[in-house]
Amino acid sequence: GAVVSQHPSRVICKSGTSVKIECRSLDFQATTMFWYRQFPKQSLMLMATSNEGSKATYEQGVEKDKFLINHASLTLSTLTVTSAHPEDSSFYICSAPFRGEAEAFFGQGTRLTVV
Amino acid sequence: QQQVKQSPQSLIVQKGGISIINCAYENTAFDYFPWYQQFPGKGPALLIAIRPDVSEKKEGRFTISFNKSAKQFSLHIMDSQPGDSATYFCAAPLLMEYGNKLVFGAGTILRVKS
Repeated sequence: GAVVSQHPSRVICKSGTSVKIECRSLDFQATTMFWYRQFPKQSLMLMATSNEGSKATYEQGVEKDKFLINHASLTLSTLTVTSAHPEDSSFYICSAPFRGEAEAFFGQGTRLTVV
Repeated sequence: QQQVKQSPQSLIVQKGGISIINCAYENTAFDYFPWYQQFPGKGPALLIAIRPDVSEKKEGRFTISFNKSAKQFSLHIMDSQPGDSATYFCAAPLLMEYGNKLVFGAGTILRVKS
């Protein structure tokens, strides 16, 4: 299957700092990528849809100023958690649809811990 | 609002047994139903998916059964193994302006006892 690479896999940061997470499609181009948040033993919650060359589309209740998304190329989307707080600690996962289909391939996830 | 209802929440199966996980959906953009497998600390991995021009798809020990009239689909894991212990998510596509997004079920934690 197609490969989506996410980096870093784990990050610990201090409260008030910002953290950037990268999501790359390695062997295909993705005009759209999705960012999810997952709490322990819960399902994936879609945060936003990243669109290459245009603004991201955020789900209801997600603060766009806190979770900045940039989709600068057809293979890279970034999620920046700004002014991080302990409640932002979570597992963040990106995905990209393959060949424009609904079939989505996921990155490895990023465990963010804010201390 | 698209909803995907998944059951059971958790499942314990003996090694060699059959694991069955069910999902029901309300409305979808089109007929495409994937199942994802997730191990702790990892991202979900596409396990098997069906496009229901057929009512069943089998890949190795994994089978998806689809009932369009009932708006239900299920995952069957035959000869379940301890290595199958993971969380399983079903999903269904919702049409958006920029393409499609997948809506996920709540997940089923499967434990296969050896």
